[in-house]
Amino acid sequence: QVQLLESGPGLVKPSETLSLTCTVSGVSIDNYYFNWIRQPAGKGLEWIGRFYGSGRTTYNPSLKSRVTISVDSSKRQISLRLTSVTAADTAMYYCAREVITFHSYFDYWGQGTLVTVSS
Amino acid sequence: SFVLTQPPSVSVAPGTTARITCGGTNIGSDSVHWYQQKPGQAPVLVMYYDTDRPSGIPERFSGSNSGNTATLTISRVEDGDEADYYCQAWGTSDDPVFGGGTKLTVL
Repeated sequence: QVQLLESGPGLVKPSETLSLTCTVSGVSIDNYYFNWIRQPAGKGLEWIGRFYGSGRTTYNPSLKSRVTISVDSSKRQISLRLTSVTAADTAMYYCAREVITFHSYFDYWGQGTLVTVSS
Repeated sequence: SFVLTQPPSVSVAPGTTARITCGGTNIGSDSVHWYQQKPGQAPVLVMYYDTDRPSGIPERFSGSNSGNTATLTISRVEDGDEADYYCQAWGTSDDPVFGGGTKLTVL
């Protein structure tokens, strides 16, 4: 059974770096793409970026200067780093699996982890 | 960037049909996917590649996509269908885009 489990600090101070981890079980990381998606409270979904194998990543242009996504295959973990955070980065952060087909979809999602940016 | 427009809300009575639209320039040439999100839960895929239903999704859910509008149709709406629904597509870039979401209320 495929499971994605996000983890990380629930509170981050403004201007600091947000670091989250998504631990994958039930499937090989090498056979899929993995994405980070966030959702501020009461608002819609925003795609952050994707890791799609062999060290390749793509990011939302609006966040690209602050985002890094990396993978540790041995630990089955996908990591998200977001630097210089502000209150606007307060959101639920989801890890989601993307099927490797053209213009694909997200078939499995983690339960999400809430991050609050506040001093 | 590609913009997907959804109505903020749709309200229907139980047993009737709900149609949730997703508008975008020439979206009919793209592939559209739909997610259902209930309060406090992660999104769940309910339709992919316009018309395909994942296993476990009732046949009451169907999709279409043509011209500038994709539509998720829910027949014989039940109380349990009350949720937020999001469309997702790609446009001409390699980045996925989500619509703003539609809150389905079952009266």
